[in-house]
Formats: sequence, structure tokens, C-alpha cells
Amino acid sequence: GAGVSQSPSNKVTEKGKDVELRCDPISGHTALYWYRQSLGQGLEFLIYFQGNSAPDKSGLPSDRFSAERTGGSVSTLTIQRTQQEDSAVYLCASSPGGQAFEKLFFGSGTQLSVL
Amino acid sequence: GNSVTQMEGPVTLSEEAFLTINCTYTATGYPSLFWYVQYPGEGLQLLLKATKADDKGSNKGFEATYRKETTSFHLEKGSVQVSDSAVYFCALSAGYSSASKIIFGSGTRLSIRP
Repeated sequence: GAGVSQSPSNKVTEKGKDVELRCDPISGHTALYWYRQSLGQGLEFLIYFQGNSAPDKSGLPSDRFSAERTGGSVSTLTIQRTQQEDSAVYLCASSPGGQAFEKLFFGSGTQLSVL
Repeated sequence: GNSVTQMEGPVTLSEEAFLTINCTYTATGYPSLFWYVQYPGEGLQLLLKATKADDKGSNKGFEATYRKETTSFHLEKGSVQVSDSAVYFCALSAGYSSASKIIFGSGTRLSIRP
């Protein structure tokens, strides 16, 4: 597709359930980010994939959060045993890397609501 | 660790007013600095950037100067328009290569009255 695609756009789940959020980056983009945006808050960095390098997981808030990127393309963010404080918009972004690494293209996000 | 602090909003101005949105940073190494903008209903997009001290980034009438001595990168515009209403995010990428992640400030919501 032409842009970064995220699914689902909305997810309502019960506390304690696991959820998977998907991100389809722009084809050819080597860098992929996950951020979290809570109501009234800025963008909280979660994880960063760059090419074949080991991902930078320094922003993951707990071991309930994990992410993978298969074949250098699609990425899945998994939250296990969801808690109410996990409710937020989860944003994925990709960039071409290299000299244009700062040109992030954002998806529309997944609104996660944990009841 | 690396971080970005920007002024809290919302900021409300009249059309043609002068705008300043403050941003300061903490970083190791020599960060690159950015301003991103999120217009209503749209995703974030890069507004301007500066990659070394004393560089001035500019775009769409907005400017920001990389001040190493004050660790600041304040966003300015001489005459704002209603169409500038958006959320503005200051950001940095610290490290010595493009393999460094980009981290954002908390965002400042700007509203311009006609």
C-alpha cells in the first residue's frame, strides 16, 4: 500500500487478555517504530527496528510487552495479560533509514481499550 | 538518559501573532533535533530539522535554531495562521548514526483564533 497500515483500528479487550497489534510498513522502509500515545500525553517510545540489527527494546514498559518484525517487513506488538493502564493509542511508524531516517511515516494507530 | 521537554499547552493565539514554543533537551553525544506537526485527523509529519549546533531549520514560515549552549530548539513563527492549528512535537535522535531512535516530547497543542 501507499502508507503505513495498522490493524485493528480499534480493539476493546478485557483485563488479563492478550492482544496483538499489527503494523504493515511502507515497502522498502528499513526502520520501524512503535510508540504509545495516552490521553493528554506525548509519544512514548516503545521499540525500534532498524534493518537486521537487534531491536532497541529500551522503551518497553514491562515484560508483558514484546514485538517482532518478520522478514524485515510486517511487525506485531503483543501485550500479554493486559491491564487498564495499557489503554492508549499505539502508533507504528516506518522510515527509509539512511540519510532520510528522520522522515517518519505514521500509521493511523490502534486505539486499545482495556476494560 | 535522552529526553525532550517542551512547554505545556494548549497555546491559543490570534491570527498574525508571533509564536514561540519552547523545547529543551538532554542527550549524550551530538543529537539531531526535529519538530514534527500533527494536523487534526492526520498523522505526524516532519516539519523541520537541524543536525548540528547553530543550524537553523525552517519550513512553512516556521524556524528553530539548534542552541547547544542552552540545549534548546525553540520553534518560532512570525505570523501564525488559522491553518497552523495543530499539535507540535519536539524530538531528537541521539547518537552517531542514523541507527539511533527518535524520541518525542509531550506535544504542544496550538489553536489560532481568526
